[in-house]
Amino acid sequence: GENVEQHPSTLSVQEGDSAVIKCTYSDSASNYFPWYKQELGKRPQLIIDIRSNVGEKKDQRIAVTLNKTAKHFSLHITETQPEDSAVYFCAPWNTDKLIFGTGTRLQVFP
Amino acid sequence: NAGVTQTPKFQVLKTGQSMTLQCAQDMNHEYMSWYRQDPGMGLRLIHYSVGAGITDQGEVPNGYNVSRSTTEDFPLRLLSAAPSQTSVYFCASSPLGGKGQPQHFGDGTRLSIL
Repeated sequence: GENVEQHPSTLSVQEGDSAVIKCTYSDSASNYFPWYKQELGKRPQLIIDIRSNVGEKKDQRIAVTLNKTAKHFSLHITETQPEDSAVYFCAPWNTDKLIFGTGTRLQVFP
Repeated sequence: NAGVTQTPKFQVLKTGQSMTLQCAQDMNHEYMSWYRQDPGMGLRLIHYSVGAGITDQGEVPNGYNVSRSTTEDFPLRLLSAAPSQTSVYFCASSPLGGKGQPQHFGDGTRLSIL
C-alpha cells in the first residue's frame, strides 16, 4: 500500500517568515496531491491541491510544488500569520483512496 | 446545502456494545469514506465507497462494517466496541471524478469506549 511521510513533524516560525512542509509518497500511480489544514478540534479543510500534470500551483500566500520523479510534493506558506497555526496534512490520492500523512504541527509566533 | 452531516457528535460506549455512526451528504457525491483520527495522529482510512452498493476496505477496516444502500448515506457500524476504537471519526464525500477530488468532511464524531 501507499506509504506517506511528512517532514518536519513540528515547525515553529516567526510571523512573517516562510514555512515549507515536505510530503514523500511511495506509489508512482498517485495522481492527485492535496494539502489539508486542521485547526484544533475542527475538521480537516482543503487549502490547496495539485494534479500530476502540473509542477506548481499558487494561491495567494500558499503554494504547492510537485516532483513526480522523486515522488514528493511540498507546501509553501509565505508571510506566515498567527492564524496559519494548525496541523497540516498531505494526502496523495491513489486509485480510489486518499492516504493521509502523519501531519505537521505549524506554530507561528507573533 | 448542509454538506456532510455526522451524528452523533459525541458518544460513550461500554466495551462490547455495538453502535452505528451516521453520515449523510446532500451534494449527490458518489464517493464517501470514513476515517479515524487518534489523538495527535493523522487520519486513517477505515472504509470507502465509490457509489451506492459498492464498498471497499481502507487501511484499518477490522472491527467496522459499512453499507451504502443510497447515494446520500454511509453508516459505519462498530460490531463489538473495544477501548482501542476510542477515536474521532470523520466522514467525507466528494464527486468521484476518477482522478481524486477535494474531500468535504463532516464535523466528526468523538467516540469513547470504556
